[in-house]
Formats: sequence, C-alpha cells, structure tokens
Amino acid sequence: GESVGLHLPTLSVQEGDNSIINCAYSNSASDYFIWYKQESGKGPQFIIDIRSNMDKRQGQRVTVLLNKTVKHLSLQIAATQPGDSAVYFCAENRRDTGRRALTFGSGTRLQVQP
Amino acid sequence: NAGVTQTPKFRVLKTGQSMTLLCAQDMNHEYMYWYRQDPGMGLRLIHYSVGEGTTAKGEVPDGYNVSRLKKQNFLLGLESAAPSQTSVYFCASSASSILYNEQFFGPGTRLTVL
Repeated sequence: GESVGLHLPTLSVQEGDNSIINCAYSNSASDYFIWYKQESGKGPQFIIDIRSNMDKRQGQRVTVLLNKTVKHLSLQIAATQPGDSAVYFCAENRRDTGRRALTFGSGTRLQVQP
Repeated sequence: NAGVTQTPKFRVLKTGQSMTLLCAQDMNHEYMYWYRQDPGMGLRLIHYSVGEGTTAKGEVPDGYNVSRLKKQNFLLGLESAAPSQTSVYFCASSASSILYNEQFFGPGTRLTVL
C-alpha cells in the first residue's frame, strides 16, 4: 500500500560530520511533511516541516529537501553532535485525509561517534 | 504549559484485564491522537478525535476504545488486554488547521501484557 518509507535503518557518523537521512513517499496527495526526532524513552519531537510548494527549508543546523518528481525528501544535519543521536522519523500529511492524521515511516537511527 | 501529559508512565497487565490510559493537553488543541509504537517501528495511529465528543478510527483500532468527553482529555481504553497490545503508547495533539498539522507528543506509556 501507499506509505512513507526510509532507505536506511541505521546511520553512523563521526561527530562534526554532516548527516543525511532519507525518506521516500509514494502518495501524490502528500503535500506536507514533518521530520521528528525521538530520543530513547521519549516521545517524538518536532524538528522541521516542509510543504510541497517548497523545495528546501532550513532551520538551525538542519535542512530539509523535497524532490516531488521522485517523491523523496531528506533531512540534513550539519556538524552532527552527540546530542543528535536519536531515531528520526519522517511523517506525511495528506490533503485527501482532511489533514487529520500523520503517516509515519519506520525511522532511521542516527548514531554519532565521538 | 505542561504540553501533553500521559498517565500512567508504566503499566503491567495480565491477559484479559482492562485499563484506561489518560492523555491531557493544555494547548487548547482541537485534535488529539493515540498511537502505538512497537520495537523498531514507527508510530501507528489507533484512534483520533477532531473535537470534543467526536472520535474516529485510525490504522489499528481493533481492541481499543476511546472517549473525548472534554476538549483537553483523550482516553484510551483496553477492555480485555492481549499480549499483542504490549507496546509504547503515545498521545499527541494538534491545532485544527487546513494548512498543516504539527503534532505535539506526550512522553509515552509503556504497557506490558503478560
């Protein structure tokens, strides 16, 4: 079925390097995407969002890129820090569901090596 | 503001027992949601509510019931717990918006059914 998915279950990077976490979606009705960070034992925490009328959005040390042609988005984290170690989820919101629910991918675990 | 709170934080049940999980939010949000998260997986929507007195089924509603008697509270009930319901349960809330749907999550309830 149509769903949000992730390419890599685990990503290991060195402290100070840049991290790129990828996400694919298949539903053309998806026009709003959110990246969440989930630390161990905690609930998901909003990082950044992007609407389909944008290709790129930047936050503090994070950038989200959206490629609607291939239905792919990525989260880039600059100068990765140990505190960035967590599971990252992309979630899609679809206009055809009246925006009443998010569909989450299975997550990518980011491990930052000191 | 406390944001989204959940009680209890942990619970162990025997098969066939019942329990209610309580979610409360102080952000005056219209929408509230219950998700479950199984190990190594993303969040799956159980039930949601778009306003006081209304509820709707999500992706995995079987075995659960919900009630939204007050705008700030959303209750999740298990009438006859089964081991397959062992999971971490997250509540979330969001403002009603046709433009976006950022959800704020609680800390989770870890439920074990023996």
